[in-house]
Amino acid sequence: EIVLTQSPGTLSLSPGERVTLSCRASQSVSRNYLAWYQQKPGQAPRLLIYGASSRATGIPDRFSGSGSGTDFTLTISRLEPEDFAVYYCQQYGRSPPNTFGQGTKLEIK
Amino acid sequence: QVRLQESGPGLVRPSETLSLTCSVSGDSIKDYFWSWFRQPPGKGLEWIGHIYATASTSYNPSLKSRVTMSVDTSENQFSLNLTSVTAADAAMYFCGRGQPTSVWGQGILVTVSS
Repeated sequence: EIVLTQSPGTLSLSPGERVTLSCRASQSVSRNYLAWYQQKPGQAPRLLIYGASSRATGIPDRFSGSGSGTDFTLTISRLEPEDFAVYYCQQYGRSPPNTFGQGTKLEIK
Repeated sequence: QVRLQESGPGLVRPSETLSLTCSVSGDSIKDYFWSWFRQPPGKGLEWIGHIYATASTSYNPSLKSRVTMSVDTSENQFSLNLTSVTAADAAMYFCGRGQPTSVWGQGILVTVSS
């Protein structure tokens, strides 16, 4: 099973700032099948990025993903108020099981 | 517009079977992988497994001995059965479309209690 470790656990930032979230895998993610999701309280997750760097339909271009192998990042170029949420990475290349990171909480400073 | 809706009992007794259904509208269940996830209150996401329209399945090894998924193409829905539930199975359960999952249901909260 691939273990995904996200860092940091919590980030306190202000709107307008740039942020980079990290997701590190315990072994190489097959075909860079790495996704990022955003989840707000009381809501289902929302797919942001798939294939490590492709934006899902309707996702603003301030969200970008990069990385390969075992190290991946999600960057939000300029934080909007609606971006404060929990972010999860997920690998779906070596399944079963698909696995998620433990999440990074992005909170308003 | 594709919509997924989970349904089933919100309360299950310990040692009994949790049964949930996900109804799909706006899309044919004959395409895509269809998945189940869960999220205990205040915790992270866990993939339970997925099923394809051909009924081919893949389950999380940690739950495999207790999980069964099925698909009903005539009703355009798919289902989850989880046997011998304990308090550790209490969670919000989500169904979803695709791998990765681009469409999600709103979730259904399942409590385990006698």
